[in-house]
Amino acid sequence: GENVEQHPSTLSVQEGDSAVIKCTYSDSASNYFPWYKQELGKRPQLIIDIRSNVGEKKDQRIAVTLNKTAKHFSLHITETQPEDSAVYFCACFDGNKLVFGAGTILRVKS
Amino acid sequence: DAGVIQSPRHEVTEMGQEVTLRCKPISGHNSLFWYRQTMMRGLELLIYFNNNVPIDDSGMPEDRFSAKMPNASFSTLKIQPSEPRDSAVYFCASSSAGTPNTQYFGPGTRLTVL
Repeated sequence: GENVEQHPSTLSVQEGDSAVIKCTYSDSASNYFPWYKQELGKRPQLIIDIRSNVGEKKDQRIAVTLNKTAKHFSLHITETQPEDSAVYFCACFDGNKLVFGAGTILRVKS
Repeated sequence: DAGVIQSPRHEVTEMGQEVTLRCKPISGHNSLFWYRQTMMRGLELLIYFNNNVPIDDSGMPEDRFSAKMPNASFSTLKIQPSEPRDSAVYFCASSSAGTPNTQYFGPGTRLTVL
């Protein structure tokens, strides 16, 4: 089955800097790649997603890039703010279900 | 739209007791997912339903766990008997046929088994 690896497990950045989180997957048939943000004590919330026919997608300060050949995708957050501090999960849809990465704890220091 | 609704939000019970978690998906969504989240194991898919039919229950850890979806607007996850290692946050999520991969999570139920 699909295996998703997410790095780094923790990331600390200074407010205003950029943050990048990377995920690799194993199943080349995976065709949908969402990113979820989970604040402490709250539910995972979808922040951006990308499908396999697109290489990059942006939404304000957030962008996701996908390299299907290398089977990896990344979340980019620019001009980070304290409210970006949370756990971020990547996921892949393997044709049957979403498989989640282990998560990245992002801390934005002000 | 009220979003996915889960109840109770918190449950504290003693080992050996039966626990029932409830979920109401977003109206019009036809897929429903039950997840368990712990620090050690992260987010695990337990079971999911399409059009009220269980499709994949390979994530259900043991026979002590069971799930039902009697209609399109209600699902339950039952643990009987409960054990301390079942302590976790249980999330329900739903998605629609139009965007089948996009899942929306409920607020979760924090279960503590003493």
